Amino acid sequence: EAGVAQSPRYKIIEKRQSVAFWCNPISGHATLYWYQQILGQGPKLLIQFQNNGVVDDSQLPKDRFSAERLKGVDSTLKIQPAKLEDSAVYLCASIGGQSSYNEQFFGPGTRLTVL
Amino acid sequence: AQSVSQHNHHVILSEAASLELGCNYSYGGTVNLFWYVQYPGQHLQLLLKYFSGDPLVKGIKGFEAEFIKSKFSFNLRKPSVQWSDTAEYFCAVTRRGNNAGNMLTFGGGTRLMVKP
Repeated sequence: EAGVAQSPRYKIIEKRQSVAFWCNPISGHATLYWYQQILGQGPKLLIQFQNNGVVDDSQLPKDRFSAERLKGVDSTLKIQPAKLEDSAVYLCASIGGQSSYNEQFFGPGTRLTVL
Repeated sequence: AQSVSQHNHHVILSEAASLELGCNYSYGGTVNLFWYVQYPGQHLQLLLKYFSGDPLVKGIKGFEAEFIKSKFSFNLRKPSVQWSDTAEYFCAVTRRGNNAGNMLTFGGGTRLMVKP
């Protein structure tokens, strides 16, 4: 089966610009996650979707970050406006069921550099 | 909220040396435990996982990990490393139970370099 797809793979913007990332999870996976991985740190969860609904967005900086999964399949994460500290790899992951025994599959990530 | 600590940020070993990477978590309830690996230029992949049962779990590529509940630890081991094990290793936990959400909490990672 195809894995989690993300685009673009790399993005360089200047601070105060806007940027959007796209994720297409594994087919049939109802749960989708966005993580932020700052250089030298482990991934940190930003938001979790179950189908097209938000399950947890407590760690999403909502003043500048937004995410949607309108049709319950692919998802976009947006930053507007970007700050220098947003430079990171943004990872998307999906999981096939609601059981806590299911494995999360990760995409290749989008590396964002904010100048 | 749970947290995960990985004690070694960088490890350098020669081929055939034994490996042990430390991982401790803090959470009072029941957890599921994972080790993920990220090879250079590749995405995160699951190495092994522990949910219940035998606390010694075996994963891919000769890796194993031992869950010691009394120490809140889940250390990763490999008896003899290879150059191809050069990668970054992440320990992670999820809370178990209703509404746990399968949300992974990751440690800071350990970057392993194996010298040929």
